[in-house]
Amino acid sequence: EAQVTQNPRYLITVTGKKLTVTCSQNMNHEYMSWYRQDPGLGLRQIYYSMNVEVTDKGDVPEGYKVSRKEKRNFPLILESPSPNQTSLYFCASSPLPPASYEQYFGPGTRLTVT
Amino acid sequence: TQLLEQSPQFLSIQEGENLTVYCNSSSVFSSLQWYRQEPGEGPVLLVTVVTGGEVKKLKRLTFQFGDARKDSSLHITAAQTGDTGLYLCAGGGADGLTFGKGTHLIIQP
Repeated sequence: EAQVTQNPRYLITVTGKKLTVTCSQNMNHEYMSWYRQDPGLGLRQIYYSMNVEVTDKGDVPEGYKVSRKEKRNFPLILESPSPNQTSLYFCASSPLPPASYEQYFGPGTRLTVT
Repeated sequence: TQLLEQSPQFLSIQEGENLTVYCNSSSVFSSLQWYRQEPGEGPVLLVTVVTGGEVKKLKRLTFQFGDARKDSSLHITAAQTGDTGLYLCAGGGADGLTFGKGTHLIIQP
């Protein structure tokens, strides 16, 4: 089954404790992206990647890191999480160019930073 | 940053009524996509429109892309309770998609 998987689905952590949210897709897509979704603000892009070893900042990259060492995986790293990073996070993938194809979204990761 | 304004933000109507949701921008997009999101899940694509003036129909849903490719609308005929959800428009660019804030639609029985 074609899918994007994210882990964990739920995470409660404390300020400053490094964490990684994993994202994996099995569709051989070149393009992968991370979004955060907040009430009243909608879906905002954090980082995206056009291919292996190619990553770029989206609209809200501060406080986040990503890597793309393999085509299928695109982890999101929070080196020192803060309460303002409490949010619902989605990973998505698609073929290139992303504007022409459906974005396949993962099920989401609900992160709470206390 | 390109912005997409969706209206209305919230809409609650009775089953059987018609409705239209709007998505407007001052920027030109190469494509416009509409997604539907249910609670606890990721958005799922409904349609992609790419040509100015294009109209696409998906059963009771009609999608239109503005002539100048800056705006779009979603019209639902005879709404059903199963249409309840968050509807998101997204403009396509070279780097990916820019999403509107969404329209929360509730169809009451």
